[in-house]
Amino acid sequence: DVKVTQSSRYLVKRTGEKVFLECVQDMDHENMFWYRQDPGLGLRLIYFSYDVKMKEKGDIPEGYSVSREKKERFSLILESASTNQTSMYLCASSLFFQQSYEQYFGPGTRLTVT
Amino acid sequence: AQKITQTQPGMFVQEKEAVTLDCTYDTSDPSYGLFWYKQPSSGEMIFLIYQGSYDQQNATEGRYSLNFQKARKSANLVISASQLGDSAMYFCAMRETSYGGATNKLIFGTGTLLAVQP
Repeated sequence: DVKVTQSSRYLVKRTGEKVFLECVQDMDHENMFWYRQDPGLGLRLIYFSYDVKMKEKGDIPEGYSVSREKKERFSLILESASTNQTSMYLCASSLFFQQSYEQYFGPGTRLTVT
Repeated sequence: AQKITQTQPGMFVQEKEAVTLDCTYDTSDPSYGLFWYKQPSSGEMIFLIYQGSYDQQNATEGRYSLNFQKARKSANLVISASQLGDSAMYFCAMRETSYGGATNKLIFGTGTLLAVQP
């Protein structure tokens, strides 16, 4: 079974802190993704990576950065956390492109910034 | 721009009945892929079913089937014989295309919260 794990299920941080969200997948997938999920807005893509050290901005990259130093690990960084970044963060991975390839998701991290 | 629309924020269904969750999409590309995911209260997104735009038949996976109507640009999910464990949020998604080719990115709808009642 494909497994995508995220470092924390729940996280509480203070405004201005630097926050690291870690994601690890064990199926040798080339693609990895970070989404945030907010009620009524669905999932919105923050960043994705299709190879080590490669990254591309998604729809809402402002206030976030990412790092992919190893194929299995993709980190999301909030440089200076703000209250509007309180959200559910979901990591996903998939094999490199084919039309029908689904994305596999981690359990999510619910981040609260106070 | 490609877009996914789910107009039902919430739905109720009686246990053992069938339920249809609506999804419409907008794309000008002739080649695209459509997905449905389930998100239980635990938070993890679970892949349910996939339909390609050139697939001749509607996709089915166990109790899940996708009612694909290309001319109407709809890809409704049908769950037969609902079970209590089907209570969850359901998301429709489409693979994004760019310059006539598919990308690795998915576009998600806003979801439908399904509650199965005993």
